[in-house]
Amino acid sequence: NAGVTQTPKFQVLKTGQSMTLQCAQDMNHNSMYWYRQDPGMGLRLIYYSASEGTTDKGEVPNGYNVSRLNKREFSLRLESAAPSQTSVYFCASSEVSGWNEQFFGPGTRLTVL
Amino acid sequence: QKEVEQNSGPLSVPEGAIASLNCTYSDRGSQSFFWYRQYSGKSPELIMSIYSNGDKEDGRFTAQLNKASQYVSLLIRDSQPSDSATYLCAVQGKMEYGNKLVFGAGTILRVKS
Repeated sequence: NAGVTQTPKFQVLKTGQSMTLQCAQDMNHNSMYWYRQDPGMGLRLIYYSASEGTTDKGEVPNGYNVSRLNKREFSLRLESAAPSQTSVYFCASSEVSGWNEQFFGPGTRLTVL
Repeated sequence: QKEVEQNSGPLSVPEGAIASLNCTYSDRGSQSFFWYRQYSGKSPELIMSIYSNGDKEDGRFTAQLNKASQYVSLLIRDSQPSDSATYLCAVQGKMEYGNKLVFGAGTILRVKS
């Protein structure tokens, strides 16, 4: 099992450009999450999907959109990138929403110039 | 007040010593608590989960939970240089975020050989 995979690993964008970060899991988990990690601030939840067909905002959703394509895949889209979105992005999944242990993908390091 | 607080460190311990990492949280209703280890440039890796008051041991790791004091800790016995990493405390969050995990900013641990 690959666990949680993310693409791309690295990306550089110019301000105003758009891109989609891809995430897939092969653990048959119901819930998936997108986090960003900035120095000194820990992991902050952007959006989550408790189950296939549902998505909800987390702590820092502004400037992002998500799509739960199917049970395996959960994508994060930046419509118009801003320098403030420079960060490391992690996708995670868990068997069920809430109290379950979450398992993380390898991350995408995004720089917006 | 931050929802989950950790001392940023670095905490330096000699090889073979016990490392003690601490975490406090603000939501008295929290039910689930997790410790993640994150090596530099890598994704968080779950190492311990604890749900009830008291101690939980797994190999060299012991998680301790005191809900009355809103305090959770991680003890690492016989610390090894390979334990050098950032340790993230995660707590089940508030209802408005669907009980999702809230992460502390992490404590840097350095084990000196």
